[in-house]
This record gives sequence, structure tokens and C-alpha cells, in this order.
Amino acid sequence: DAGITQSPRHKVTETGTPVTLRCHQTENHRYMYWYRQDPGHGLRLIHYSYGVKDTDKGEVSDGYSVSRSKTEDFLLTLESATSSQTSVYFCAISRDPKGTEAFFGQGTRLTVV
Amino acid sequence: AQRVTQPEKLLSVFKGAPVELKCNYSYSGSPELFWYVQYSRQRLQLLLRHISRESIKGFTADLNKGETSFHLKKPFAQEEDSAMYYCALHSYYQLIWGAGTKLIIKP
Repeated sequence: DAGITQSPRHKVTETGTPVTLRCHQTENHRYMYWYRQDPGHGLRLIHYSYGVKDTDKGEVSDGYSVSRSKTEDFLLTLESATSSQTSVYFCAISRDPKGTEAFFGQGTRLTVV
Repeated sequence: AQRVTQPEKLLSVFKGAPVELKCNYSYSGSPELFWYVQYSRQRLQLLLRHISRESIKGFTADLNKGETSFHLKKPFAQEEDSAMYYCALHSYYQLIWGAGTKLIIKP
């Protein structure tokens, strides 16, 4: 397996609280992605990074922010969690964006109550 | 707009029967398409990509630009093929994903 880990793996939080999910890689891949997976929607891109301090919004970025201060870590923050953000979150890494295989983390199941 | 459509949420076939998972795309330009698979309790992983024209685990997928399709096929399904399958389209820095098809192989 590619060296990519997500933490925490499971989290329950209350509406209105901030939450940060961490993605850590040991592959030195340039590109990192945060997705959410919901039934009937497949994977939807939240934010992605194409280098340290270089990030951009994906399809469903509202309510989320990211930071990448070093190559190996990509943090996803929910500033004020809402019930609609209950989902499974996946981090992925890729060596380049042009058709190279993306490697995925194990996922984080987040429940906002 | 770029879009990937997997019309079947669930596909159930008997072991030994042929399998076809449908994927249609909308993209202006030359598409790069992938199939990813997620087995129970495992990570999402690449199954195959159209540019390599390979067969993985007996699965093949041919890009049909005229029909804008990239269907995944296997002539004889096996029980271990039961999984969630996603079709994805590369666009700029990201992959655009279909909603996925759950494949169940009945014994």
C-alpha cells in the first residue's frame, strides 16, 4: 500500500464545532486531494493541492478549508461543522495529475450530531 | 460540463455470468478514463486505465468516443469481484467521478 494515512479514522462531533482531519503521506507525491463520499454521489472533490501552500477549490468546497504547509501533510478543516457534513472523507495522493494512479487513504467517517 | 454517469447503482449477477458495468462521460477534448474499485473494508484502488489497454483481474474496458462510453466488462464473474466500482474522468488537476455501481456476484 502507498504510504498514506488519515487521522482520525472515526469522529463524532457536535454541530458548530471546528473539526480538522489530517492526511499524511510518505510518498513525496506532489498532488493531494480531499474527497467526500456520499451514497448516490460517488466521490466529490472538496479541495486539492498541487504543491506546498498551493491549494484550490473543488466541486463542494463550501464550509471547508485546507492547508498544506509541508509536502507530507494536507489538513482539511470544517470551521463550523453541520449535519450535512456527515460523510466519509477520503484523502488521495498522486504523483502528477495527468492520468497517473491516485492512491487513497483508508477514509475518515465523520458524524456531526 | 464534464460529467461521468454510471446509470446502475446496483448490479447483481450470478457467478460465471458475464458482467458489464456501464460508464458514460461528457468531456470536450480527449478523455482520460479510469476504473477504480473498492472491495469491502479496503481502500479505493485503481483497477485499470484506458490508455494502458490492459486486462486486470479479467476486466477490460474500451473507450468508445462515438458513444462517449467506457464500459467495464468481464466474461465470467467471480465471487471475489463483488465490490463497489467507480468510473472516473481526468480533467485538469482532478478526477471527476461517477456515483458508483455496487456489483454483487451471487453464488
